[in-house]
Amino acid sequence: DTGVSQDPRHKITKRGQNVTFRCDPISEHNRLYWYRQTLGQGPEFLTYFQNEAQLEKSRLLSDRFSAERPKGSFSTLEIQRTEQGDSAMYLCASSEEGFGPQYEQYFGPGTRLTVT
Amino acid sequence: AQKVTQAQTEISVVEKEDVTLDCVYETRDTTYYLFWYKQPPSGELVFLIRRNSFDEQNEISGRYSWNFQKSTSSFNFTITASQVVDSAVYFCALSEAGNFGNEKLTFGTGTRLTIIP
Repeated sequence: DTGVSQDPRHKITKRGQNVTFRCDPISEHNRLYWYRQTLGQGPEFLTYFQNEAQLEKSRLLSDRFSAERPKGSFSTLEIQRTEQGDSAMYLCASSEEGFGPQYEQYFGPGTRLTVT
Repeated sequence: AQKVTQAQTEISVVEKEDVTLDCVYETRDTTYYLFWYKQPPSGELVFLIRRNSFDEQNEISGRYSWNFQKSTSSFNFTITASQVVDSAVYFCALSEAGNFGNEKLTFGTGTRLTIIP
């Protein structure tokens, strides 16, 4: 069973450019989460998918951010017109549906974005 | 609104000492879940434990133990006989039973633990 994978692992971009990250969850996990982690802070929730439906977005997710999960499998997170404040680690997590100890979120290795 | 506070920013102990990481949480829900995650230097968050709000029993897993006290809204984590491999940032997190089953996690700011050989 492979874990959650994210691509790329590192991205350096210039301010104003668009970037797109990909997350492949654990197969058969129908819940997928995106979080953002800045230096010295804990991860902050960005958005959540159940299958292909995006059911919640944080107020942290400005209009420049968009996420998709076509066909309920992998997900992409796009940032348009990047700003230096977008520099962070972007984490993806997946879980099965339901409550209980076996439904914890499994995290990927993250994509570290640096905006210059 | 839910909130998690980890007042200890950094802790250093000598190998084999015991160490306790503190976590205090705030929530208005009666049903919630508490977690601890470990983030080693490699960066990937590793799940350690999940407790629900109705189960206040302390738990022990090898050298790790957790003390959940609803009266003080605390969920503390103790490592006994610490080892160098325990060096990492540890996060406490809270999840409420949200809409559509969204178990989004609210994390604390983390405690960086350094074990000195």
